[in-house]
Amino acid sequence: QKEVEQDPGPLSVPEGAIVSLNCTYSNSAFQYFMWYRQYSRKGPELLMYTYSSGNKEDGRFTAQVDKSSKYISLFIRDSQPSDSATYLCAMRGGLSGSARQLTFGSGTQLTVLP
Amino acid sequence: EADIYQTPRYLVIGTGKKITLECSQTMGHDKMYWYQQDPGMELHLIHYSYGVNSTEKGDLSSESTVSRIRTEHFPLTLESARPSHTSQYLCASTQGDLSGANVLTFGAGSRLTVL
Repeated sequence: QKEVEQDPGPLSVPEGAIVSLNCTYSNSAFQYFMWYRQYSRKGPELLMYTYSSGNKEDGRFTAQVDKSSKYISLFIRDSQPSDSATYLCAMRGGLSGSARQLTFGSGTQLTVLP
Repeated sequence: EADIYQTPRYLVIGTGKKITLECSQTMGHDKMYWYQQDPGMELHLIHYSYGVNSTEKGDLSSESTVSRIRTEHFPLTLESARPSHTSQYLCASTQGDLSGANVLTFGAGSRLTVL
């Protein structure tokens, strides 16, 4: 079983829709949670990161972490065609040894239709 | 704009050839990484380095090798390429873990096709 599961999609929504992207994980030691966005033929770029449980908002993007359910989400409000990309969740544990390394989800491909 | 550069962006070569994928960063980051990315699959760590003359293998077994002679440069080499090496290779770097996040900056990737 993979440590991080992410619905691969593809997900297609109309412009202006609210998008919900999700990941589940099995390792209770994970403490740092990130969302990366990857455009076609580009490398991933960091969108948001959170530590432990809770919400974090940045413009149209909101990241949620529920450690009790081992579930994280990224919400995109008023989605735009420019949001069309693959979204990768990533997470890791503490600061020592292999816990420093990130574990990635397989990515969700999102298309926002004009 | 990311200050981490990968060359070549695309490479098509025949089986048995030696290839080197270049990665350079201008941010002075100590930690650098190589990931392998296949369609619909998660990124897999194949090599990492925490500083000059320090390299380690990652979670995914790879026949490639790396070197870290200068802080800014982290090339990956395949001595004899095979079709199974066909993949996207992503280089990344970060300054460190003091903030806890280990946020990575990625290059645009090198897409390798071995015929």
